[in-house]
Amino acid sequence: AQSVTQLGSHVSVSEGALVLLRCNYSSSVPPYLFWYVQYPNQGLQLLLKYTSAATLVKGINGFEAEFKKSETSFHLTKPSAHMSDAAEYFCAVSATGGYNKLIFGAGTRLAVHP
Amino acid sequence: KAGVTQTPRYLIKTRGQQVTLSCSPISGHRSVSWYQQTPGQGLQFLFEYFSETQRNKGNFPGRFSGRQFSNSRSEMNVSTLELGDSALYLCASSLDGTNTGELFFGEGSRLTVL
Repeated sequence: AQSVTQLGSHVSVSEGALVLLRCNYSSSVPPYLFWYVQYPNQGLQLLLKYTSAATLVKGINGFEAEFKKSETSFHLTKPSAHMSDAAEYFCAVSATGGYNKLIFGAGTRLAVHP
Repeated sequence: KAGVTQTPRYLIKTRGQQVTLSCSPISGHRSVSWYQQTPGQGLQFLFEYFSETQRNKGNFPGRFSGRQFSNSRSEMNVSTLELGDSALYLCASSLDGTNTGELFFGEGSRLTVL
């Protein structure tokens, strides 16, 4: 069965510091992997997705993620955090044959302080 | 282009009642999926519809049901409400349901069961 593990339910960084949100997946077949962001009282917004075209994926708002098959990881990074990045971030894997069924990690709440 | 619209945004019900939530997808999108979000269980897949057909269903009891209309609008219904059904219910649409996982989410319907 496919699963996603996000390490760290809360991450706090200073404005301008590197953001690193960790995600490990379990999948028996090459997966589609995603990062979504949720701002307070809003739905989820797609940040980026991996579909096997390139291991380094660039997304919106300066975020990127690298697919590492050997480590079964898909960590999300941003070189310089901004106050507006404070939100909850979800890593997800697309279930095999699942017709848009995404399996989400538990989420990581990112706090950015001045 | 209008996004995914969910109504109502907030509602309060009592145990034993039933509730119907509505979702209007992005124009031209034919796949609609529903997710339940709670602090304890996180984001969980409920079901997915494409061209009025339910193609996939998550592990929820039969009290949870849905349907999709010919204009792609969707509704979900929860009967005999329980306290544990309190959650944010998110609807997401996608163009053709090819399991790319690129979902566009609404802002959700927040259900409180008293």
